[in-house]
Amino acid sequence: QVQLVESGGGVVQAGLSQRLSCAASGFTFSRYGFHWVRQVPGKGLEWVAVIWYDGGRKEYADSVKGRFSVSRDQFKSIVYLQMNSLRAEDSAVYYCAREAAPTYLGYFDLWGRGTLVTVSS
Amino acid sequence: QSALTQPPSASGSPGQSVTISCTGTSSDVGGYNYVSWYQHHPGQAPKVIIYEVSRRPSGVPDRFSGSKSGNTASLTVSGLQAEDEADYYCCSYAGSNHVVFGGGTKLTVL
Repeated sequence: QVQLVESGGGVVQAGLSQRLSCAASGFTFSRYGFHWVRQVPGKGLEWVAVIWYDGGRKEYADSVKGRFSVSRDQFKSIVYLQMNSLRAEDSAVYYCAREAAPTYLGYFDLWGRGTLVTVSS
Repeated sequence: QSALTQPPSASGSPGQSVTISCTGTSSDVGGYNYVSWYQHHPGQAPKVIIYEVSRRPSGVPDRFSGSKSGNTASLTVSGLQAEDEADYYCCSYAGSNHVVFGGGTKLTVL
């Protein structure tokens, strides 16, 4: 079954770290780039980060640059989001999404159901 | 990286058509033909319904159509059905390997 399943969410104190995972199955993982997108409950979607198909390139939104890090394990077919120095405003549902566009970014053809991160102060 | 501007809500009766706008700048929507639209039923995974401004992935009904003029993209849902009630988000490539989303529009089928 073609799917993405996020995990690792929960309640974490401000200033601490959390690592999210996105497990992929049903397709050739190494052919695709992946994004993390978040949604504050009741608000819109916010793009967070992208990692290229080979892990050789990564980009981040200004709001998380220097605090978050995206990586991937090609053997386990998992994408990670390491979140450090967490702030209250990082509280959101975090989605993993597969990039389908061959030459640009922004065509997400497969999404997970998300995992909720709550940063407590 | 400012969010694209969408109306917070839209509505229509079954069978009618509704259009949702998505306004950006020349650095995102106006600069590239890389606008996509996503349908999101709360609690579920978002689903792409339009990509590259007006292309529909296989399996998406042709009741959904997209267009763009200048810095504004639009999603039109024709022949509204009850199951179309959801949140809709536009998304655009914004250059420098960045992506920007709209704030979302809640579509209500009356």
